[in-house]
Amino acid sequence: ETGVTQTPRHLVMGMTNKKSLKCEQHLGHNAMYWYKQSAKKPLELMFVYNFKEQTENNSVPSRFSPECPNSSHLFLHLHTLQPEDSALYLCASSRQAHTEAFFGQGTRLTVV
Amino acid sequence: DQQVKQNSPSLSVQEGRISILNCDYTNSMFDYFLWYKKYPAEGPTFLISISSIKDKNEDGRFTVFLNKSAKHLSLHIVPSQPGDSAVYFCAASGQTGGYQKVTFGTGTKLQVIP
Repeated sequence: ETGVTQTPRHLVMGMTNKKSLKCEQHLGHNAMYWYKQSAKKPLELMFVYNFKEQTENNSVPSRFSPECPNSSHLFLHLHTLQPEDSALYLCASSRQAHTEAFFGQGTRLTVV
Repeated sequence: DQQVKQNSPSLSVQEGRISILNCDYTNSMFDYFLWYKKYPAEGPTFLISISSIKDKNEDGRFTVFLNKSAKHLSLHIVPSQPGDSAVYFCAASGQTGGYQKVTFGTGTKLQVIP
């Protein structure tokens, strides 16, 4: 238990569906992140929020839409995904941006 | 262009011996380096870090060495234990494309044989 909780743990969705991934941390951290991990690829940083403000969007397609309503919660809204978007999506938080991060257990997403 | 490389996808070590995991980087703007460990079905867990102003950092059985001139770092685990079997990710923090960010390697799967 790292203090970062992600739900759901597993998600199967069709290409026309809309779903959301949720992340919650009560560590008092100021930065939160979404990462994507595909097979045999490095962890890819998708979005960074620092003090609830989005500071980076690493060329992520608009079918992924993040939301950070407060410093403890982070969402990733998904719509019209493609099968190649199937991956493990990891949320993380850190005290300051880009320092030691605490990761959630991830959501295993399968797009069919 | 992969800025952080872990060239060994896997490593097997006998219990009690030393495990050495290697990582190379190309961006000279990286100034902070981290190692994470990941078990199956779990997120990565932070293990140890080192600032670019140091060349060694030790925490119990884990030691990270940094060679800035070679742009190389390594993680030493001694003695290795079966519970150390996991995937180890190297990560580097620094200015990339105008932003401060952390870049991860592809990971090395360590198997410690009892």
